[in-house]
Amino acid sequence: QVQLVESGGGLVKPGGSLRLSCAASGFSFRDYYMSWIRQAPERGLEWVSYISRSGDTIYYADSVKGRFIISRDNAKNSLYLQMGSLRAEDTAIYYCARGGCRGGSCYLDAWGQGTLVTVSS
Amino acid sequence: DIQMTQSPSSLSTSIGDRVTITCRASQNIRTFLNWYQQKPGKAPKLLIYAASNLHSGVPSRFSGSGSGTDFTLTISSLQPEDFATYYCQQSYNTPPWTFGLGTKVEIK
Repeated sequence: QVQLVESGGGLVKPGGSLRLSCAASGFSFRDYYMSWIRQAPERGLEWVSYISRSGDTIYYADSVKGRFIISRDNAKNSLYLQMGSLRAEDTAIYYCARGGCRGGSCYLDAWGQGTLVTVSS
Repeated sequence: DIQMTQSPSSLSTSIGDRVTITCRASQNIRTFLNWYQQKPGKAPKLLIYAASNLHSGVPSRFSGSGSGTDFTLTISSLQPEDFATYYCQQSYNTPPWTFGLGTKVEIK
């Protein structure tokens, strides 16, 4: 079955860096676009970043642009999020999600369990 | 960026009730609107895509409608497992694909 497993979260000081990973299994990873979505404690969902199937098209939310880098390794069935210049407001559970599109309409049809990133001194 | 406004932010209801949640986009997004369900401590799950299409495995008591700027998620007869928070998300054009702030469905 489709499985997405995030890792790499933890406690980091403001200004620090962290790299999140998402291991995919149960589907052909290279055939799907992927996204990162985050959820601050007791808050709603915030879309963070998108990467196309080949990795040549990337988008970021304004809140992370210039600080975060999304990437993927299709040979390793893995998605990554390199996070830098971290701020307290980046504290959240980070989910990776698989993207699907049908008839031109795109959606997130599989999610990992999330990994918690805490930015605090 | 396109803003998504959900209402209500929370509602108290009973088993068997009909529940309606609305989502309004700040501009015309045609039918590029998805709905997700999230239970406490769990990842979100896709319910409805393209405004009215039921995702695989989702019970038929869930339905979605709307186009343009106004959308609705309806649960025809609320079941115990439906108590959760529901989010709309627009996927119009290229990202950013924004979410609404969520609607928490609670037991009365």
